[in-house]
Amino acid sequence: QQQVKQSPQSLIVQKGGISIINCAYENTAFDYFPWYQQFPGKGPALLIAIRPDVSEKKEGRFTISFNKSAKQFSLHIMDSQPGDSATYFCAGDPYSGSARQLTFGSGTQLTVLP
Amino acid sequence: GAGVSQTPSNKVTEKGKYVELRCDPISGHTALYWYRQSLGQGPEFLIYFQGTGAADDSGLPNDRFFAVRPEGSVSTLKIQRTERGDSAVYLCASSSPDRGIYGYTFGSGTRLTVV
Repeated sequence: QQQVKQSPQSLIVQKGGISIINCAYENTAFDYFPWYQQFPGKGPALLIAIRPDVSEKKEGRFTISFNKSAKQFSLHIMDSQPGDSATYFCAGDPYSGSARQLTFGSGTQLTVLP
Repeated sequence: GAGVSQTPSNKVTEKGKYVELRCDPISGHTALYWYRQSLGQGPEFLIYFQGTGAADDSGLPNDRFFAVRPEGSVSTLKIQRTERGDSAVYLCASSSPDRGIYGYTFGSGTRLTVV
């Protein structure tokens, strides 16, 4: 059962543009919604995370928008740079006690053209 | 080391063979997780250790897969009678309860190819 649906599968943006990636979730037990960035040959690295009691979180050029009633959240990358070219994954984290078993979306391959 | 270390980085094996994949977590991290990432997909949870015990192994696809963490630090994922469908990147992550999601760190993975 796919509990986190991510779109688009791939995205091409011009340098300086805004990249937007969307995710929808089903599991209302998710307590954290992190976004990960993955470069080829590397493991996913945390970019930014939001809790469901917050509608927006911004860290530098990265912003998460969260809509709890619609069970959707999105990542906005402002002023996109070629170095942002990577695969991005959203995830849901049903934090319970000490366990964090993440459920990932299928990923978005972002290409930022110079 | 400062990060999660996984060895080998690449492993090619023949169908039917046995393989072991190793994960060295960040020192002091009590929780350790294994994920499998198939080509073009997000990581999928396999198993979670809290200390030495497997607290949740619900993600292991079948009984050919097994993992241990005998001293509460290094973990080994073991795959018996490998099949071509086992080809994937196997990721390990470790975490510390006091840092929440921001302390959850992945290794670079082991790329397993079954020929």
